[in-house]
Amino acid sequence: GAVVSQHPSWVICKSGTSVKIECRSLDFQATTMFWYRQFPKQSLMLMATSNEGSKATYEQGVEKDKFLINHASLTLSTLTVTSAHPEDSSFYICSARYGPDYGYTFGSGTRLTVV
Amino acid sequence: GQNIDQPTEMTATEGAIVQINCTYQTSGFNGLFWYQQHAGEAPTFLSYNVLDGLEEKGRFSSFLSRSKGYSYLLLKELQMKDSASYLCAVVDSNYQLIWGAGTKLIIKP
Repeated sequence: GAVVSQHPSWVICKSGTSVKIECRSLDFQATTMFWYRQFPKQSLMLMATSNEGSKATYEQGVEKDKFLINHASLTLSTLTVTSAHPEDSSFYICSARYGPDYGYTFGSGTRLTVV
Repeated sequence: GQNIDQPTEMTATEGAIVQINCTYQTSGFNGLFWYQQHAGEAPTFLSYNVLDGLEEKGRFSSFLSRSKGYSYLLLKELQMKDSASYLCAVVDSNYQLIWGAGTKLIIKP
């Protein structure tokens, strides 16, 4: 149980275009989703926390107009990278908390390459 | 500020035992997680400790001392597939996950 499905697994896009990443909780309701990015050989960096039905909370230094987060339902959160640039190339991972103690489950991640 | 410290890299031999340490200073404490992450993949859950002591789960065990701000992950009977990064993460008073930089574990035959 407690599965988060994330897609696409990888995407290559041209500079200036936008890319949407979806995360769905398959067997539980995720009122809160976390979006991370991870550069090679580095740890996870929290970008934003999204709550169903309200605006996302962005971490310091993360541009909210560039990384649009929508959490319209209890099972779906999306991250849209707008006007992508090569420096946005990274591994993006979503996570949801599925219980008070047991934890945070992760999507499988999206490898974004901007050319 | 909040800080999680763990060694950058460790090397061990197949069949041996290795202990990965994690020390933390955070604003509040609501539990500590250990995750395993293979290259190019998302993290997978290994363990969760919220009370002091040792939690054993098969070949993996995790220990917590809240008074010392310290945890370790113990891996026994190491296998080549255990080569991965191991991430320590603490849940702070706001229920935010604070991540360590991860320990890359290299297993040699």
